Amino acid sequence: DAKTTQPPSMDCAEGRAANLPCNHSTISGNEYVYWYRQIHSQGPQYIIHGLKNNETNEMASLIITEDRKSSTLILPHATLRDTAVYYCIVRVVSGNTPLVFGKGTRLSVIA
Amino acid sequence: DTGVSQDPRHKITKRGQNVTFRCDPISEHNRLYWYRQTLGQGPEFLTYFQNEAQLEKSRLLSDRFSAERPKGSFSTLEIQRTEQGDSAMYLCASSPTDEAYNEQFFGPGTRLTVL
Repeated sequence: DAKTTQPPSMDCAEGRAANLPCNHSTISGNEYVYWYRQIHSQGPQYIIHGLKNNETNEMASLIITEDRKSSTLILPHATLRDTAVYYCIVRVVSGNTPLVFGKGTRLSVIA
Repeated sequence: DTGVSQDPRHKITKRGQNVTFRCDPISEHNRLYWYRQTLGQGPEFLTYFQNEAQLEKSRLLSDRFSAERPKGSFSTLEIQRTEQGDSAMYLCASSPTDEAYNEQFFGPGTRLTVL
């Protein structure tokens, strides 16, 4: 079972920041927080991952609380192409561990 | 395009028939995963290969399912005696063995419809 809890859906106005929350209160010390997204009719796409420090890349920023029990994925300027299901996943980074997906958050970016 | 390809993209079959799907991972990736996704759900892990060795199988992988990766490159997933409950999107993903960069790259999936 997924170790994360996400709201089922969110809306965001185009051009505004989209803030997607995730709760992972049972995360272990060696588990990272990963985010993937799945645009309709495509396979999931990696976005970002982090352990305890905030991370930023060309797609998004990841903010992890100090106790690591929750995190927020931030898309700074959402576009219509960011409409997708966003999955928050916790997993160890080493080895062959498969991804355990929950139902994710369906983000709708509205013009 | 992630570099992972799957064939066919769509398959419609009648109940009881056998089907086979193919996945071509990114060439330098040693790890290959199969997942299944039903409508409204996130993908669920089925099985995992490192090179040609099948190292892990989910309890979801019934006896009617078999996967191979004979030369450590492409992989096939076969479903025998298909059932309507097998209707789903079958996703393949690959990743390198570099532990510091364990991102999985997904293909576009094969959508199976069992009539």
